[in-house]
Amino acid sequence: AQSVTQPDIHITVSEGASLELRCNYSYGATPYLFWYVQSPGQGLQLLLKYFSGDTLVQGIKGFEAEFKRSQSSFNLRKPSVHWSDAAEYFCAVGAGYDYKLSFGAGTTVTVRA
Amino acid sequence: DTAVSQTPKYLVTQMGNDKSIKCEQNLGHDTMYWYKQDSKKFLKIMFSYNNKELIINETVPNRFSPKSPDKAHLNLHINSLELGDSAVYFCASSQAVGGPTYEQYFGPGTRLTVT
Repeated sequence: AQSVTQPDIHITVSEGASLELRCNYSYGATPYLFWYVQSPGQGLQLLLKYFSGDTLVQGIKGFEAEFKRSQSSFNLRKPSVHWSDAAEYFCAVGAGYDYKLSFGAGTTVTVRA
Repeated sequence: DTAVSQTPKYLVTQMGNDKSIKCEQNLGHDTMYWYKQDSKKFLKIMFSYNNKELIINETVPNRFSPKSPDKAHLNLHINSLELGDSAVYFCASSQAVGGPTYEQYFGPGTRLTVT
């Protein structure tokens, strides 16, 4: 079965600075990869996804992610964070035909002024 | 025009009670899910229905019973509520065309507090 690791529990970043969130997965083939964001008290919103093709994918809110097969990683980046980017970010992996998404434990992003 | 909606948003109840949470999606999807998010924000799949058929049934107490009256609705009934059931419950939906696509859309969540 697939698994997901988000090594950073909490990241604090200054407004306007760049942000990178790490995600590593474990699966024998290329899985379906996702990043979701959860703002306080809200549901999960899909930021971006990777199925195949170009390994650099663009998402909403100015986020992008890069799939690196050799490192089994799918890291999320944003060049300049806004205070509204303070939220919980989840990496998720889908694989095989079991309809399940496996989520990482999440990374809490705090944005300081 | 909310894509995935849940009711209620908040649910406070006492131990031993029975409660239900409702979910509806207007995306035309054929697969729906229930997740439980604990106090540490960890998300765990509980159930999934594809075209009204139960396809995922994780290790969940029998007190939890999902019901899917049609492809657009998935309800969760919980009997004999316990303190440990306190969590946020999320409904999600996706479209499986020739197999799962895994791209899931989530509702706003139902915060259940058992006292």
